[in-house]
Amino acid sequence: ETGVTQTPRHLVMGMTNKKSLKCEQHLGHNAMYWYKQSAKKPLELMFVYNFKEQTENNSVPSRFSPECPNSSHLFLHLHTLQPEDSALYLCASSPYIAGTEYSYEQYFGPGTRLTVT
Amino acid sequence: KNEVEQSPQNLTAQEGEFITINCSYSVGISALHWLQQHPGGGIVSLFMLSSGKKKHGRLIATINIQEKHSSLHITASHPRDSAVYICAVLPQGGSEKLVFGKGTKLTVNP
Repeated sequence: ETGVTQTPRHLVMGMTNKKSLKCEQHLGHNAMYWYKQSAKKPLELMFVYNFKEQTENNSVPSRFSPECPNSSHLFLHLHTLQPEDSALYLCASSPYIAGTEYSYEQYFGPGTRLTVT
Repeated sequence: KNEVEQSPQNLTAQEGEFITINCSYSVGISALHWLQQHPGGGIVSLFMLSSGKKKHGRLIATINIQEKHSSLHITASHPRDSAVYICAVLPQGGSEKLVFGKGTKLTVNP
């Protein structure tokens, strides 16, 4: 148990479907992140939430829509995805977001393996 | 060109060998992270450092800020160390955006 859980672990969806990924952290952290990991590419930051407020949107297409109802829960709503969106989607949390001269360890969930057909 | 370069990309070792994985970056940073990703996807944070050296069990991480270089060492390697090791840096400037390397895939054979 990592303290950060993600559901579902695997998801297969068609391009016209709408689905949601869920992340929950039990660590009392205030910052939560969505990352995308595609084959043979570095991890890419998608979104950052700090105290439920979105602080970073890394030029993510609008077919990905995040929601953070409270500091413990983070959702990623998916609609009209493309096959190239197939990837591992990882959620992470940290006590706070990084500052000018300091960083915090991020705690990752197990990921959702998404396949878009 | 990625701001964070790791070498080697793939590494195969025999159990008991001393392992070194390197990470070079091109920007000024506030901190550097080493992460471990096992098959199946889960990522674990191993170290976060901004200077010097840290040790945890058989793992040692070093960083040279002037040379923009960090190394992760594994002593007395074991098959359970087989994983992808990822270096990530936090560029200076106040952003919470970590920049990741592509990872080094380590396989330790018994």
